Amino acid sequence: NAGVTQTPKFQVLKTGQSMTLQCAQDMNHEYMSWYRQDPGMGLRLIHYSVGAGITDQGEVPNGYNVSRSTTEDFPLRLLSAAPSQTSVYFCASSYSGGPQYFGPGTRLTVT
Amino acid sequence: AQSVTQLGSHVSVSEGALVLLRCNYSSSVPPYLFWYVQYPNQGLQLLLKYTSAATLVKGINGFEAEFKKSETSFHLTKPSAHMSDAAEYFCAVSPFGQGAQKLVFGQGTRLTINP
Repeated sequence: NAGVTQTPKFQVLKTGQSMTLQCAQDMNHEYMSWYRQDPGMGLRLIHYSVGAGITDQGEVPNGYNVSRSTTEDFPLRLLSAAPSQTSVYFCASSYSGGPQYFGPGTRLTVT
Repeated sequence: AQSVTQLGSHVSVSEGALVLLRCNYSSSVPPYLFWYVQYPNQGLQLLLKYTSAATLVKGINGFEAEFKKSETSFHLTKPSAHMSDAAEYFCAVSPFGQGAQKLVFGQGTRLTINP
């Protein structure tokens, strides 16, 4: 199993540009989540999904969209990037009641 | 609402010494509790989890943590530090019954090991 994979590893955007961070898992996990990690703040939940077609907001959802059309994939979209979205983004997945498994992260810089 | 406080953003110990990383939580319902480790430029790896079974939880790499309800604490310990333990450690909480889908993380503690 590849586990949780994320692409790209690094990305630089200009303010106002849009992009999609990709996340895929091959463990048939129902639950998938997106977090952002900022220095001194730990990880904060952006959006999560409890199954295909079902998503919900986390702690910091503004500026981000998600959808879940398949069990395997959970992309995160930035419609109009802002410098405040400069961060490291982690995708995670889990089965019901289980611990989350994290991907390697995407380091995003918005100039 | 749940919250997690990790006491000390940086902890430094000598190789072979005891490692103690502190975590206190607040939760309105019995929680699930987790410790994750993050090595430089990597994702998070689960060290151990508490899910209302035994209060002393053993994890990977010789780490363990004890759930103390009266103190709302879940401190992480390792009897003898190794150079390879240098990393950032995160404590996280999730309400009982919600699995681990909505984790709330502490701010992290960076552990440095001195030779």
